[in-house]
Amino acid sequence: EIVMTQSPATLSVSPGERVTLSCRASQSVASNLAWYQKKPGQAPRLLIYGASARATGFPARFSGSGSGTEFTLTISSLQSEDFAVYYCQQYNTWPQPFGQGTKVEIK
Amino acid sequence: QVQLVQSGPDVKKPGASVKVSCKASGYTFSRYDITWVRQAPGQRLEWMGWISTYSGNTNYAQKLQGRVTLTTDTSTSTAYMELTSLRSDDTAVYYCAVGFCGTGHCPLDFWGQGTLVTVSS
Repeated sequence: EIVMTQSPATLSVSPGERVTLSCRASQSVASNLAWYQKKPGQAPRLLIYGASARATGFPARFSGSGSGTEFTLTISSLQSEDFAVYYCQQYNTWPQPFGQGTKVEIK
Repeated sequence: QVQLVQSGPDVKKPGASVKVSCKASGYTFSRYDITWVRQAPGQRLEWMGWISTYSGNTNYAQKLQGRVTLTTDTSTSTAYMELTSLRSDDTAVYYCAVGFCGTGHCPLDFWGQGTLVTVSS
């Protein structure tokens, strides 16, 4: 079973700053990697799929990169509505686990 | 527009079973598969399993094998998740989600609103 590991667990950031989140898979998942944004009391929202394609409704300040086992989510200039927990998930093989999440909080 | 509407919150005693429903609308239900995910308090999202709405084929998380059953009713465009032998650590918000890539290996494009299941004596 593939294990997904995210780092860091928490990021304390000021609005306007650039943010980089990491996700590592224990074995290759090719580009079958998604990122989700999760806010308290809400369902997760698909943010990035195919490692780098941005889902509908998310602005261009969000970008994803990577393939194989190393992936990155970048938010170029953090806005107030971006404070949330971000999860990566591999969907290359079953089961399709999530990482433990990175919480982006206000500094 | 695509909607997944889940059943309401539920409270169960340890050892009981729970069945959560997920009614889909806004797309052709039998063309796209349903995945179930849960999140216990303070924990990560946990992938529970997948069902093909076309064939009924399923794939379950190993830790839930034998306790979880996913089914669908194409006549009502509804998916179901049943979990038996409930324990306190099954307390979680349960989500259904749909991926529109047409295979079993999809990102989860749309999610239900979530159903809180509380297991308590």
